[in-house]
Amino acid sequence: QQQVKQSPQSLIVQKGGIPIINCAYENTAFDYFPWYQQFPGKGPALLIAIRPDVSEKKEGRFTISFNKSAKQFSLHIMDSQPGDSATYFCAAIAGGGADGLTFGKGTHLIIQP
Amino acid sequence: DTAVSQTPKYLVTQMGNDKSIKCEQNLGHDTMYWYKQDSKKFLKIMFSYNNKELIINETVPNRFSPKSPDKAHLNLHINSLELGDSAVYFCASSLGTGTGELFFGEGSRLTVL
Repeated sequence: QQQVKQSPQSLIVQKGGIPIINCAYENTAFDYFPWYQQFPGKGPALLIAIRPDVSEKKEGRFTISFNKSAKQFSLHIMDSQPGDSATYFCAAIAGGGADGLTFGKGTHLIIQP
Repeated sequence: DTAVSQTPKYLVTQMGNDKSIKCEQNLGHDTMYWYKQDSKKFLKIMFSYNNKELIINETVPNRFSPKSPDKAHLNLHINSLELGDSAVYFCASSLGTGTGELFFGEGSRLTVL
């Protein structure tokens, strides 16, 4: 079954802390794992993505860690800021994309000043 | 310049009515999608079109009918609206079917009374 399980559902972190959002998948055909960020009243926007041939990818304050054997990946936000408060979605897609992106259920992140 | 634009942003209508949502992208992408986001923020793909051809048609009531007049436009028509259709509908586009890099519109919030 094509599923991506995301946790936690919600997360509150103090400014400067490192929120961590975790995702797990079952389908070994998935070969691209993006994270999307959604602010209230806006559409999701691609934040960062990784392929399973690397274990980590950094873009600015955002880092994806990928564990292929465990079929898990996570998003870390370094030096978190109140402006990072948003809903974050992990996602996955299999080669060819015939079934489209499968999204996790989202994590509502609040960064307190 | 808005990359993916949807109209209208808000629709409020009575049960049983028919409504349409229009989507246009100016990114030159070949693939367009409709996603539904429910009250719990879960994002679920409904349809995708590649070069005006239907690629993905998830288990969606046949009251929902997508129409792609050209590869820059994907409209969604909904017949006989029901209370459970209330949601935010997002249009998105991507360069191809398997990229996983989607560009979303700002959403159309449909409320059925």
